[in-house]
Amino acid sequence: DTEVTQTPKHLVMGMTNKKSLKCEQHMGHRAMYWYKQKAKKPPELMFVYSYEKLSINESVPSRFSPECPNSSLLNLHLHALQPEDSALYLCASSQVAAGYQETQYFGPGTRLLVL
Amino acid sequence: QKEVEQNSGPLSVPEGAIASLNCTYSDRGSQSFFWYRQYSGKSPELIMFIYSNGDKEDGRFTAQLNKASQYVSLLIRDSQPSDSATYLCAVNPSGTYKYIFGTGTRLKVLA
Repeated sequence: DTEVTQTPKHLVMGMTNKKSLKCEQHMGHRAMYWYKQKAKKPPELMFVYSYEKLSINESVPSRFSPECPNSSLLNLHLHALQPEDSALYLCASSQVAAGYQETQYFGPGTRLLVL
Repeated sequence: QKEVEQNSGPLSVPEGAIASLNCTYSDRGSQSFFWYRQYSGKSPELIMFIYSNGDKEDGRFTAQLNKASQYVSLLIRDSQPSDSATYLCAVNPSGTYKYIFGTGTRLKVLA
């Protein structure tokens, strides 16, 4: 089973709202990722958690706040977003292995629209 | 700047033909290479991964890796209209957690 689930599928929020995106996997993967993807562009890495610790933050604005409560869950808290933050937000997970990168499996994504 | 380059296309092939998608990368230390298929509005779906020089086959798909020339390719045999999608090449430089994605090649299989 290579399933990563994400909720909600769609989200519309105003610039003053606070919302959260959720991601879950039960593959025993110990690395989890958040990506942002705009139309006709490749996914853009935002954050990486390894063993529940934040290991990469790609200089993401503080209005995006990640959280990894346990090895299966990953959240992305959103606050005071801008219209240009509208995008497809993708969660991915992978095993952690020495020497080379294990395959990342993507969830279905959350389509976010900021008004 | 570590880069992964793909021709954006569209690459149009007739149904039943072989589609050949190419990707070049700049970091010689790259160790892992991945092909994802992405339908419009959907998330990327893993097609193939390859770590070693040479060919790797899985059904109608063959990934080819040439580390000396720094390119990786994906061949799709007996192309079907359902193969019409954007194909993303991803490269993992030097065993980090980061993927470097190419911009993707849009494939159109004509019935």
